[in-house]
Amino acid sequence: EAGVAQSPRYKIIEKRQSVAFWCNPISGHATLYWYQQILGQGPKLLIQFQNNGVVDDSQLPKDRFSAERLKGVDSTLKIQPAKLEDSAVYLCASSPLMARGEQYFGPGTRLTVT
Amino acid sequence: GIQVEQSPPDLILQEGANSTLRCNFSDSVNNLQWFHQNPWGQLINLFYIPSGTKQNGRLSATTVATERYSLLYISSSQTTDSGVYFCAVELSGGSYIPTFGRGTSLIVHP
Repeated sequence: EAGVAQSPRYKIIEKRQSVAFWCNPISGHATLYWYQQILGQGPKLLIQFQNNGVVDDSQLPKDRFSAERLKGVDSTLKIQPAKLEDSAVYLCASSPLMARGEQYFGPGTRLTVT
Repeated sequence: GIQVEQSPPDLILQEGANSTLRCNFSDSVNNLQWFHQNPWGQLINLFYIPSGTKQNGRLSATTVATERYSLLYISSSQTTDSGVYFCAVELSGGSYIPTFGRGTSLIVHP
């Protein structure tokens, strides 16, 4: 079974530029999560989808971050415009069940904003 | 929101030693998972253990949900066990927001 795929693996941009990350979850997994992990900290949930609907986005900075999951499969996370403090690893995870499911993580995208 | 505290924050061991990592949480939870983040940043599932005890090779975990803690045991540690260990919980009662602790950084020396 293929794991969670993410791209790109690394991205360097200047502040005020925009960037997009892509995630393909494990086949059949209904729930998809995007996390931000700042160096030295645990991952922080940004947004959670169940199929193509948003379950929770209370911790997503909506003035600059947006995410979508068209057709309930792949998802993209966008930052526009980026700030220096957005430098982090962005992790995607998927789960076969909401609330009682196990999460499986992709390799992450390391973003550096200069 | 729920508070998740992990201890110790850092741990240095010699190969072959045993260790216990702890995760305390401030409220009742539906889900609890232990992860190992390897030096390349990949988060690897170790256990899904909202309650009870599980074992997988040299690793085992116990969650006492009524007392709001979980323990991860590593026996006969190897250098490949190095990395950061996270616990993640999900509050019971309908809040579907997984919350991670700050992790325990483990270094195993040969």
